[in-house]
Amino acid sequence: EAGVAQSPRYKIIEKRQSVAFWCNPISGHATLYWYQQILGQGPKLLIQFQNNGVVDDSQLPKDRFSAERLKGVDSTLKIQPAKLEDSAVYLCASSLQGDAGNTIYFGEGSWLTVV
Amino acid sequence: QKEVEQDPGPLSVPEGAIVSLNCTYSNSAFQYFMWYRQYSRKGPELLMYTYSSGNKEDGRFTAQVDKSSKYISLFIRDSQPSDSATYLCAMRRGGYGGATNKLIFGTGTLLAVQP
Repeated sequence: EAGVAQSPRYKIIEKRQSVAFWCNPISGHATLYWYQQILGQGPKLLIQFQNNGVVDDSQLPKDRFSAERLKGVDSTLKIQPAKLEDSAVYLCASSLQGDAGNTIYFGEGSWLTVV
Repeated sequence: QKEVEQDPGPLSVPEGAIVSLNCTYSNSAFQYFMWYRQYSRKGPELLMYTYSSGNKEDGRFTAQVDKSSKYISLFIRDSQPSDSATYLCAMRRGGYGGATNKLIFGTGTLLAVQP
């Protein structure tokens, strides 16, 4: 079974530039998550989709971050304009459903450095 | 006060030692408790998953949950150099979906097992 796919793996941009990350979840997984992991910290949920609807985006900085999940499969996370403090790993994850009993599977992450 | 507290380490032990990793939490509504392992430059992978209080064993790994003390532990017996990684505790409430059901992570403990 293929895992969660993410691209690009690494990206370096200047502050105020924009960047987009792509995620393809495990086939059949209805729930998709984007997490931000700053060095030395645990992952923090940015946004959760159930199919193509947003379940939770309470910690997404909506003035600069946006995410979409068209057709309930792939998802894109965009940052525009980027700030230095956005340097982090952006982890995409998926699960069969959003309930607490379902295992969340993570991708390898997209590493962003803002200079 | 953070909802989940975890000693960041680093923790260095000789091969074959018993490792004890711990987290404390403040939210009594948490019912699902997980331990994730994260190798360098990889995404987290689920190691152990426990519902409510009690112990769970899987090979060399044992997870313990003490809800009365709001304290969870992961024990690794006969530790190996391949166990060297960051160990993240995570927890969530029960129920289906919703903004209140998100997974809350600790900061992670960096473990190094010396050969």
